Amino acid sequence: DAGVTQSPTHLIKTRGQQVTLRCSPKSGHDTVSWYQQALGQGPQFIFQYYEEEERQRGNFPDRFSGHQFPNYSSELNVNALLLGDSALYLCASSLELGLGYNSPLHFGNGTRLTVT
Amino acid sequence: GDSVTQMEGPVTLSEEAFLTINCTYTATGYPSLFWYVQYPGEGLQLLLKATKADDKGSNKGFEATYRKETTSFHLEKGSVQVSDSAVYFCALSDQGFAGTGGYQKVTFGTGTKLQVIP
Repeated sequence: DAGVTQSPTHLIKTRGQQVTLRCSPKSGHDTVSWYQQALGQGPQFIFQYYEEEERQRGNFPDRFSGHQFPNYSSELNVNALLLGDSALYLCASSLELGLGYNSPLHFGNGTRLTVT
Repeated sequence: GDSVTQMEGPVTLSEEAFLTINCTYTATGYPSLFWYVQYPGEGLQLLLKATKADDKGSNKGFEATYRKETTSFHLEKGSVQVSDSAVYFCALSDQGFAGTGGYQKVTFGTGTKLQVIP
């Protein structure tokens, strides 16, 4: 049973560049959420995708955007990178929203982004 | 908005000691509550959950009870092992409706690092 997979595992970018992170959800899951985890902090909600639509967004600027594909995989794009965007980016998948909000999240191991 | 506050770490205990990690929350609705754990070098994984008031979640010897009156969800274990060394995150999950449909938003605490020494 394949869990949540993310690529790449590590990435180094320069300020002002753009980056795309990828996520494949756990088999059978169709909802994908993205989180940013700064060093020593808890994950912060970026946005959630379901049925290829962004359903909810956290307190992140428009430089952060995403996409969900028909096979439920997802991408996170960040434009005009800032030093403060350096963090671990986590993808989490879950069962369809209609099953209720007690559906737990299944996390990938994350992509470590370093902006220099 | 929703928020989760958990005790700051690190917490250092001797093997077989009793563990309590405090967690309190603020939410406008009726959230589900979770504890997630992050072992060194691994991703976040669900430890236990409780979906309504007075529910007790349990797993691997860990327990937490959903206390609506005190808005708390403290994590406890009677006898910790070295293998329990990890970072523990308290979280709440709330569902809502916006625009095109429903969503599920999970809010995490800042995490508590536990180190168990032999």
